[in-house]
Amino acid sequence: GNSVTQMEGPVTLSEEAFLTINCTYTATGYPSLFWYVQYPGEGLQLLLKATKADDKGSNKGFEATYRKETTSFHLEKGSVQVSDSAVYFCALSEENYGQNFVFGPGTRLSVLP
Amino acid sequence: DAGVIQSPRHEVTEMGQEVTLRCKPISGHNSLFWYRQTMMRGLELLIYFNNNVPIDDSGMPEDRFSAKMPNASFSTLKIQPSEPRDSAVYFCASSLTGTNSPLHFGNGTRLTVT
Repeated sequence: GNSVTQMEGPVTLSEEAFLTINCTYTATGYPSLFWYVQYPGEGLQLLLKATKADDKGSNKGFEATYRKETTSFHLEKGSVQVSDSAVYFCALSEENYGQNFVFGPGTRLSVLP
Repeated sequence: DAGVIQSPRHEVTEMGQEVTLRCKPISGHNSLFWYRQTMMRGLELLIYFNNNVPIDDSGMPEDRFSAKMPNASFSTLKIQPSEPRDSAVYFCASSLTGTNSPLHFGNGTRLTVT
């Protein structure tokens, strides 16, 4: 079956540091890939997405590129802020009968001033 | 767009009581998902519906849990009887199939069973 693996957290960085959160996936077909962010006390919010190989999703300074050859979708940001502290989830979806989403376990990021 | 609306926001109940969680998906979305999130187990898919029909309920923990979607704009998740181990945050999410569209989540219901 489909699955998503992402790096174990927590990740602690200083403000303005470079961020990478690794995500790899297994899928039977050609999934769409997503990064979601969850702030304390809230639901998951879409951060960015990519629907085909070599697509780059970007939003709020975050980027991720759909790499089919390495089955990866790593999240990056050049300079993190304290306000980026949250839990980040990598996810994929594939169209079967309906739409089947699979989420990674989440990576908690703490950014210190 | 009002987003996915869940109610109540918080629910505290005693063991053995019936609990009903409610969800209104985004208008026009045809898939609806119920998730449970805990520190120990993370985010778990309980059930999802497509065009109001349950497609996969393999994540429903046991017979105490049931979910319905009587129409395209409303779904319920019921726990009867509730137990302390059901304490978690329950999320509803919706999407539009066939478009590679993302899931849109509600803000969740925090359930505490004492």
